[in-house]
Amino acid sequence: GNSVTQMEGPVTLSEEAFLTINCTYTATGYPSLFWYVQYPGEGLQLLLKATKADDKGSNKGFEATYRKETTSFHLEKGSVQVSDSAVYFCALSELWNTGNQFYFGTGTSLTVIP
Amino acid sequence: DAGVIQSPRHEVTEMGQEVTLRCKPISGHDYLFWYRQTMMRGLELLIYFNNNVPIDDSGMPEDRFSAKMPNASFSTLKIQPSEPRDSAVYFCASSFDDGQPQHFGDGTRLSIL
Repeated sequence: GNSVTQMEGPVTLSEEAFLTINCTYTATGYPSLFWYVQYPGEGLQLLLKATKADDKGSNKGFEATYRKETTSFHLEKGSVQVSDSAVYFCALSELWNTGNQFYFGTGTSLTVIP
Repeated sequence: DAGVIQSPRHEVTEMGQEVTLRCKPISGHDYLFWYRQTMMRGLELLIYFNNNVPIDDSGMPEDRFSAKMPNASFSTLKIQPSEPRDSAVYFCASSFDDGQPQHFGDGTRLSIL
């Protein structure tokens, strides 16, 4: 079945460091891929998305490219800030005969220190 | 523009009591989702609705859990009787269409003593 596997945390970086959070997926067809961010005490918020192969989603300096050949959707940011400290979730959505299937990764906690 | 609204934000109750969590999705969104989040199990999809009809409830833990969506602007998740292991943060989310991003509420933090 479908699944999403993302890099385990926690991840601790210094301010202005480069960030990569790996995400790979398993799907039978052509899913849509998402990254969500969760700040303490809040719900998940959409960070970026990509709906087809080679699409690049981007927002707030974060980027992720839909790579069908490697079934990956790694999240990157060139220079992290303290305000980026949060939990990041990779997710996919795929339409099956029985309806849409939704899968979230386990989340990766990021702490950025000044 | 109002987002997904959940109530209550916090609930503390004794085991055996009935608990009702409420959700108002974003107007015009046809899909509504209920999730549970714990440290041990992460984010789990419990059930989702399309146009008020339950589509997939395979994530509902057991018969003590039930969810309803009587109309397009309201849904409830009920636990009866509640148990300490039900303690978690419960999120409601809604989306406009298949494969579209989900918009999450701020969650209900439930503690069963």
